[in-house]
Amino acid sequence: DTEVTQTPKHLVMGMTNKKSLKCEQHMGHRAMYWYKQKAKKPPELMFVYSYEKLSINESVPSRFSPECPNSSLLNLHLHALQPEDSALYLCASSPLAGTEAFFGQGTRLTVV
Amino acid sequence: AQSVTQLDSQVPVFEEAPVELRCNYSSSVSVYLFWYVQYPNQGLQLLLKYLSGSTLVKGINGFEAEFNKSQTSFHLRKPSVHISDTAEYFCAVSDLSSGTYKYIFGTGTRLKVLA
Repeated sequence: DTEVTQTPKHLVMGMTNKKSLKCEQHMGHRAMYWYKQKAKKPPELMFVYSYEKLSINESVPSRFSPECPNSSLLNLHLHALQPEDSALYLCASSPLAGTEAFFGQGTRLTVV
Repeated sequence: AQSVTQLDSQVPVFEEAPVELRCNYSSSVSVYLFWYVQYPNQGLQLLLKYLSGSTLVKGINGFEAEFNKSQTSFHLRKPSVHISDTAEYFCAVSDLSSGTYKYIFGTGTRLKVLA
């Protein structure tokens, strides 16, 4: 199994909603990542988990809250988002932090 | 801080012609280097990686790249492109000396293969 699975694929939420994005991998990778990607731009790193501990937070607003319940799962909790947060959210994992990353298909988030 | 430059934002090329997509990174003692491809509305797919060893790296779909430490470059090449290679290509660097092991992506190159 060489896949990173993200759910849902699409999400529309209001600015007062609370929702969560989910990411799962079964490759035994010890690093997991959240990226945000706007149209025609490269992915921007949001968070890095290494051995289930948050190792990098790229000054992301607190309305985004990551969680790593175990070595296979990564969540991104969303609350009180703004329309400018609409983007493709990508999850990735790698054997160790900094090695080759495998990306999920992303969640297309629209904030209305 | 580490940075990655992809000078060409768009590269048009005719089908079956060779192509080179350029990537330069700022100087560092120790880096891992990667190329990814992204098709519309999809995630990124790893094309190839350089971690250590041979400077010529072969990847999937007939792509290869050469690590040049003196020129701090990692250009991607394919001898003969297909229409299906039309996509966005990202170069990425993982700077090991920084201790943070985070990926830094270039701005991307849109490869458009023409019939």
